[in-house]
Amino acid sequence: AQTVTQSQPEMSVQEAETVTLSCTYDTSESDYYLFWYKQPPSRQMILVIRQEAYKQQNATENRFSVNFQKAAKSFSLKISDSQLGDAAMYFCAYRRPSGTYKYIFGTGTRLKVLA
Amino acid sequence: DTGVSQNPRHKITKRGQNVTFRCDPISEHNRLYWYRQTLGQGPEFLTYFQNEAQLEKSRLLSDRFSAERPKGSFSTLEIQRTEQGDSAMYLCASSLAAGNIQYFGAGTRLSVL
Repeated sequence: AQTVTQSQPEMSVQEAETVTLSCTYDTSESDYYLFWYKQPPSRQMILVIRQEAYKQQNATENRFSVNFQKAAKSFSLKISDSQLGDAAMYFCAYRRPSGTYKYIFGTGTRLKVLA
Repeated sequence: DTGVSQNPRHKITKRGQNVTFRCDPISEHNRLYWYRQTLGQGPEFLTYFQNEAQLEKSRLLSDRFSAERPKGSFSTLEIQRTEQGDSAMYLCASSLAAGNIQYFGAGTRLSVL
């Protein structure tokens, strides 16, 4: 069975600085999708970034980028120029390429942004 | 596109009572998912619909839980004889049949006293 591990329960970053959130996963499959979702307090989760395992190039979305290391089964999220609005829970998720397409989530990292 | 809507946002009930939650997915989305999120944990998959057909249920979904999606539109999740362990945030998500991005609602927070 696939598992997703987020070993940092909480992280803090100064406004305008850069922070990296860690995620590791375990799977025996070669093709899959990985996601980072952001969950602000009392609001719905929104997609931050996604990565297809067959693509070697790391995904980037504005200030958000990932470091995808397939062999190491690592998928970290880098947030550059951190803003107060980035404060939230961040969840890493894994999804198989077929079947139910259900997500397997990690336990999350709470990001605090300090002014 | 009004997003995924969940009602109610909060529900407080006494142990042993039945509760029902509703999820309205994004209108053109064929797939609908229910997840449960307890404090300090990530969301865990409960069940999944493609149109009106319920295609997978997690072992987390005991026989006190039932979900429906009549006519492939909105979905309901009912919990019978609630227990304190059912206290959690219940999240609904929807996606296009051929897509892989799930869009989430804000959730229904259930508190069982």
